[in-house]
Amino acid sequence: RKEVEQDPGPFNVPEGATVAFNCTYSNSASQSFFWYRQDCRKEPKLLMSVYSSGNEDGRFTAQLNRASQYISLLIRDSKLSDSATYLCVVNPASGSARQLTFGSGTQLTVLP
Amino acid sequence: DAGVIQSPRHEVTEMGQEVTLRCKPISGHNSLFWYRQTMMRGLELLIYFNNNVPIDDSGMPEDRFSAKMPNASFSTLKIQPSEPRDSAVYFCASSQNSDLDETQYFGPGTRLLVL
Repeated sequence: RKEVEQDPGPFNVPEGATVAFNCTYSNSASQSFFWYRQDCRKEPKLLMSVYSSGNEDGRFTAQLNRASQYISLLIRDSKLSDSATYLCVVNPASGSARQLTFGSGTQLTVLP
Repeated sequence: DAGVIQSPRHEVTEMGQEVTLRCKPISGHNSLFWYRQTMMRGLELLIYFNNNVPIDDSGMPEDRFSAKMPNASFSTLKIQPSEPRDSAVYFCASSQNSDLDETQYFGPGTRLLVL
């Protein structure tokens, strides 16, 4: 089983739609969680951290369910510029190491 | 801040040749990571350094791969000899790696094609 699993998509949605991505992780001891965004032929960039209580940044809402080992990302009122691959990222927190484990990504295309 | 700098941005070489990838992390960051990304395997951590010391190289595919970090502002990833299956995008990332900020900042990557 992969440490971080995501639906690869692709998700093709019309502009203005709401879209949700899910991610599961295998290590119950994982301490911190993130969503990164990667545009085509570019490097990954941090989109947002995911906190236990859930957090929102504009049109983006991230939620964490530790009991189910599940992370979600909701994008409201999607824009053409949201088209990218979204990477679910987990810090397994083994000892003092701060290695991030990346999911394989979910591809989103927002259509005009 | 210039961000993480990688060179070269593109490299095309023939099988058997030595390839050296270079990275300059963000000033003040104490951790540096080398990743490889392919369509088949996604983003894989190869090795990471903390305060210039290699901490975990379990992701390095085999002895053909080696990485060094002689000082806080420079790291290299070397492949010798290169093989076609090494073709990928190689990213370098750096981080403050503290309780306050675990964010990894990625460089633009080096696209390697081994013929």
